[in-house]
Amino acid sequence: DTEVTQTPKHLVMGMTNKKSLKCEQHMGHRAMYWYKQKAKKPPELMFVYSYEKLSINESVPSRFSPECPNSSLLNLHLHALQPEDSALYLCASSPGTGAIPYEQYFGPGTRLTVT
Amino acid sequence: KNEVEQSPQNLTAQEGEFITINCSYSVGISALHWLQQHPGGGIVSLFMLSSGKKKHGRLIATINIQEKHSSLHITASHPRDSAVYICAYQRGAQKLVFGQGTRLTINP
Repeated sequence: DTEVTQTPKHLVMGMTNKKSLKCEQHMGHRAMYWYKQKAKKPPELMFVYSYEKLSINESVPSRFSPECPNSSLLNLHLHALQPEDSALYLCASSPGTGAIPYEQYFGPGTRLTVT
Repeated sequence: KNEVEQSPQNLTAQEGEFITINCSYSVGISALHWLQQHPGGGIVSLFMLSSGKKKHGRLIATINIQEKHSSLHITASHPRDSAVYICAYQRGAQKLVFGQGTRLTINP
């Protein structure tokens, strides 16, 4: 299985809602990532988990809360979002971290609309 | 100034043409990635390279470490190659630094 899956594919939420995005991989990868991508822009890194521990937080507002319950699963909890948070949220994984660079495997993304 | 410069930003060609997309960067890197993104879709990793040249089907990626430059070539282009192609470099193992992407359209 060389796939990263993300659910849901689309999400519409109000500014007072709480929702979660889910990402799963069964490749035995030990690093997982959340990216945010606005239209016609490259992805922006949000968070990196390495061996289930948060290793990078790119100064993301606290209304985004990541969680890595186990090595295969990554969640992004959303609360009190703003319309400008509407974007494609991409999850990725890679075999590991360290001095050696690894290829990243991306999921199909969740398209989020905040109303 | 972007840390990764891609050119051209947009490219339209006819089916069958040879395509070249260029990527320049200004720092020492561990690896250079080429990624493909179809409209509304997720991202697919095409190549990761640290030196020389890699080939996969009709796609070829080259890198010149001394000149800090990489190219992605597509031979015998096809409409299904229409996508955004993104160059990204990696320093250390984790963070990718992305270019702005090249939007490629191949007309039948």
